[in-house]
Amino acid sequence: DTGVSQNPRHKITKRGQNVTFRCDPISEHNRLYWYRQTLGQGPEFLTYFQNEAQLEKSRLLSDRFSAERPKGSFSTLEIQRTEQGDSAMYLCASSLANRVIGTEAFFGQGTRLTVV
Amino acid sequence: QQPVQSPQAVILREGEDAVINCSSSKALYSVHWYRQKHGEAPVFLMILLKGGEQKGHDKISASFNEKKQQSSLYLTASQLSYSGTYFCGTSGGSQGNLIFGKGTKLSVKP
Repeated sequence: DTGVSQNPRHKITKRGQNVTFRCDPISEHNRLYWYRQTLGQGPEFLTYFQNEAQLEKSRLLSDRFSAERPKGSFSTLEIQRTEQGDSAMYLCASSLANRVIGTEAFFGQGTRLTVV
Repeated sequence: QQPVQSPQAVILREGEDAVINCSSSKALYSVHWYRQKHGEAPVFLMILLKGGEQKGHDKISASFNEKKQQSSLYLTASQLSYSGTYFCGTSGGSQGNLIFGKGTKLSVKP
């Protein structure tokens, strides 16, 4: 178990381009979350999956953002037609859901996106 | 709604104590505390569930007052390694998607 892995660690892209990030959660973790963090702020919830089902999307998530978790393992987050306001750290976290008890989420190192 | 953390920042000398507060305007199911060092991922510290429980981990402990919708993180005899930004994340249900506060920056000086 090597923890939550995210790739790439850094991405610089021109405005208007599409980008895709990948997250590999801790094996056997059935929940996977995407967060966005900007400087001086806490992580901001974007969306989460339980297995392959996307159960919730933040209202902040525009139509340019899409996330998938096709086989309930790794996940991808795609941003289409990037804007400068998309520049942020994109964090992925995973947890093992327990219906009765709240469970801790473990974060990956994040992908830092810079839109120029 | 985003929980409110206080203070925004605190500077300590090694060995001093600190309290970080987290309050919400919504009913809470759980409160999660994380510490994040510059350029690194948030690291899980502890989770508290409704019921007013208190937890401890080494010299870091936390309480959760469900009725007041508040949680506090207590750091005693602080060490240099405690430096970082502390976030509380709150959840209104068992789904686990957390709403994080803006963080409290803790600096421990020798």
